[in-house]
Amino acid sequence: KNQVEQSPQSLIILEGKNCTLQCNYTVSPFSNLRWYKQDTGRGPVSLTIMTFSENTKSNGRYTATLDADTKQSSLHITASQLSDSASYICVVSAGGTASKLTFGTGTRLQVTL
Amino acid sequence: NAGVTQTPKFQVLKTGQSMTLQCAQDMNHEYMSWYRQDPGMGLRLIHYSVGAGITDQGEVPNGYNVSRSTTEDFPLRLLSAAPSQTSVYFCASSYSSGTGGNSPLHFGNGTRLTVT
Repeated sequence: KNQVEQSPQSLIILEGKNCTLQCNYTVSPFSNLRWYKQDTGRGPVSLTIMTFSENTKSNGRYTATLDADTKQSSLHITASQLSDSASYICVVSAGGTASKLTFGTGTRLQVTL
Repeated sequence: NAGVTQTPKFQVLKTGQSMTLQCAQDMNHEYMSWYRQDPGMGLRLIHYSVGAGITDQGEVPNGYNVSRSTTEDFPLRLLSAAPSQTSVYFCASSYSSGTGGNSPLHFGNGTRLTVT
């Protein structure tokens, strides 16, 4: 069964600090890996999409890495801001179709003063 | 561009009632889908459509019906609501049903449904 596991479940950091969120997956056949940001009461918003051949991808202060050999991905947030408080969801695509997405349960990040 | 619009935002139903959750997108996207989000679980696919007139079941389709008569609209019908259907429902669309390349899913802001 395809699975996506994220850690930690929740995280509290001070504004201005960096943090790294982890995603491990067992999805076959792997097509791509996505990170989404979900603010409270809103729908998820796409941050990055990474294919098998991409090791690193950045979107502003967000940098995602992918190690397809170990089936691990990370999302690094630099110089955190209060607006980064949200859930971050890792999603892995199997077989290259939108109906074959496996969603992680998310990491809840809280950025405080 | 409004993106993906879902209505209503909140709904309370009694067991056995039926209702339709509305979803519309103005991006001319081919692919549309419905997910439910429950505490402690990842989003789960209910139904999806790869174009007007074409729908298929996802992971958790029981108790739900869909139709797609136009590219823009993809309503989700609850036939006879049950407490197990209490959840937050998200509609999502993408340019293509294939996830290769840059075809991210665009989500609406959800409908929070409570069945008593």
